Amino acid sequence: DAMVIQNPRYQVTQFGKPVTLSCSQTLNHNVMYWYQQKSSQAPKLLFHYYDKDFNNEADTPDNFQSRRPNTSFCFLDIRSPGLGDAAMYLCATSKFTGGGNQPQHFGDGTRLSIL
Amino acid sequence: DAKTTQPTSMDCAEGRAANLPCNHSTISGNEYVYWYRQIHSQGPQYIIHGLKNNETNEMASLIITEDRKSSTLILPHATLRDTAVYYCIVRVGNSGAGSYQLTFGKGTKLSVIP
Repeated sequence: DAMVIQNPRYQVTQFGKPVTLSCSQTLNHNVMYWYQQKSSQAPKLLFHYYDKDFNNEADTPDNFQSRRPNTSFCFLDIRSPGLGDAAMYLCATSKFTGGGNQPQHFGDGTRLSIL
Repeated sequence: DAKTTQPTSMDCAEGRAANLPCNHSTISGNEYVYWYRQIHSQGPQYIIHGLKNNETNEMASLIITEDRKSSTLILPHATLRDTAVYYCIVRVGNSGAGSYQLTFGKGTKLSVIP
């Protein structure tokens, strides 16, 4: 089945040690998103790629970066994780068809813990 | 995007229909109603969306009132696996932009009881 896959499901890193989370999709969608979801809160958009164009949300910290080397893969890099960055990180995709109402499809997330 | 109001929590007996309401009284004419759910420790799952007509798929039915100020998501035969937080989201469908942010509210925690 076509899907959005996030690896790993659980990631532990040390305070200040760079970490990379990965997302791949077999849906051939042209848009990929990264959301952050902290405990008992709703998901919050960090940034997204529309094809190769990167779009950052205004309040996303500079500590968070992203790369999209091709249509299928997208990475979230956290340069110097702090304790406040412990969260579930969700990747989502959507396909722009001109109609603009296509839903987003999510992976199961990576739960990041900071020691 | 228009704001939505949902009950904080609901219970439903297994095998019964679950009816989840959503109020979106400030919805604009070009805004769609989307429903997602999030089962514990998983990513949000798309359920259904609609503009003004009622919609049905293999997961659920979406009933939108004629004035479009509220809607109801119906799970016809709830199972224990339907226990989740259900989010009602209203957003512009054809904004001309290729990408969009989903603004999640607090949602409704549905508990399906044996």
